[in-house]
Amino acid sequence: NAGVTQTPKFQVLKTGQSMTLQCAQDMNHEYMSWYRQDPGMGLRLIHYSVGAGITDQGEVPNGYNVSRSTTEDFPLRLLSAAPSQTSVYFCASSPLLGLNTEAFFGQGTRLTVV
Amino acid sequence: GENVEQHPSTLSVQEGDSAVIKCTYSDSASNYFPWYKQELGKRPQLIIDIRSNVGEKKDQRIAVTLNKTAKHFSLHITETQPEDSAVYFCAAGGTSYGKLTFGQGTILTVHP
Repeated sequence: NAGVTQTPKFQVLKTGQSMTLQCAQDMNHEYMSWYRQDPGMGLRLIHYSVGAGITDQGEVPNGYNVSRSTTEDFPLRLLSAAPSQTSVYFCASSPLLGLNTEAFFGQGTRLTVV
Repeated sequence: GENVEQHPSTLSVQEGDSAVIKCTYSDSASNYFPWYKQELGKRPQLIIDIRSNVGEKKDQRIAVTLNKTAKHFSLHITETQPEDSAVYFCAAGGTSYGKLTFGQGTILTVHP
């Protein structure tokens, strides 16, 4: 199993550009989520999904969209990039099973908006 | 929603000493408390977790304690080694499927 795979690993965008961060998992996990990591602020939840066709907002959703058309994929879209979105982004997945269990993280995407 | 506070933000110890990181949470319904370790440039990885039906859990040099009444939990690392140097995150969950709220992180440095 590859686990959770994120692409790209690094990206530089100009203000106003849009892009999609890709996330795929091969563990058949129902739950998937996106976090951003900024110095001194931990991991903050952007959006999450409990299954195909179901998404919901986390703590910091503004400026981001998600969709979940399959169990495996959970892309994160930046609609109009802003310097405040410069961050490291992590995708994570975990099985649902009625109890919280280990979250498996992707390797991260380091995004710089200039 | 849930709020998790983590202290200290940085911790420096000598090799062989113990290290303790503390977290408090706000939602009394939370019942799952994992700890993640993130090495420089790597992804966070689970090192230990505890559920609200137990007060303490140990795995070799790592232990976690939970006080549900006071709503706080702690990570204890004994006999620290330089390879323990990393950022450690606590988290709380259990009120919504899969959803975790993370603390701000602690940068642990173990000096040889």
